[in-house]
Amino acid sequence: EAGVAQSPRYKIIEKRQSVAFWCNPISGHATLYWYQQILGQGPKLLIQFQNNGVVDDSQLPKDRFSAERLKGVDSTLKIQPAKLEDSAVYLCASSTGVNTEAFFGQGTRLTVV
Amino acid sequence: QQPVQSPQAVILREGEDAVINCSSSKALYSVHWYRQKHGEAPVFLMILLKGGEQKGHEKISASFNEKKQQSSLYLTASQLSYSGTYFCGTEMGGYQKVTFGIGTKLQVIP
Repeated sequence: EAGVAQSPRYKIIEKRQSVAFWCNPISGHATLYWYQQILGQGPKLLIQFQNNGVVDDSQLPKDRFSAERLKGVDSTLKIQPAKLEDSAVYLCASSTGVNTEAFFGQGTRLTVV
Repeated sequence: QQPVQSPQAVILREGEDAVINCSSSKALYSVHWYRQKHGEAPVFLMILLKGGEQKGHEKISASFNEKKQQSSLYLTASQLSYSGTYFCGTEMGGYQKVTFGIGTKLQVIP
């Protein structure tokens, strides 16, 4: 079974530039999550989708971050403009539903300089 | 509300046991445990639901005391492969938002 795919693996950008991350969840998984993990901390939920609807985006900085999940499958997370404090690993995860195992992708390591 | 994990770090020799605790100031519906090795994605260990159940996964088990809003992860006869950072995630019911703690870094040495 293919896992959660993310790209790119690494990205270096200058502050105020924009960047986009892509995630392809496990086939059939209705729930998709984007997490931000700063070095030395636990994953922080940015946004959670159920199919193509947003369940929770309370911790998404909406002035600069946006995310969409078209047709309830692939998802993209965008940052525009980036700030230095956005440097982190961005993890995408998917699951079949409520209180079930979440499968994480390898993440995208973003460095903002 | 981010759960509090303790200890923050622990070093074990192979074969020793360890306990990692996770506590919340809010009533919990479920607790999720994951392990993350350096540079890798978190990997699921187990989920405990409200009801105080205990679960086992080979030599790794966990308990959930909903009255105390606490969960503990037990690692017995530790192996080198157990090294990594262990995260507990808590969910308060009603919706599926899991909030993770800052993690417990565990190192098993020969």
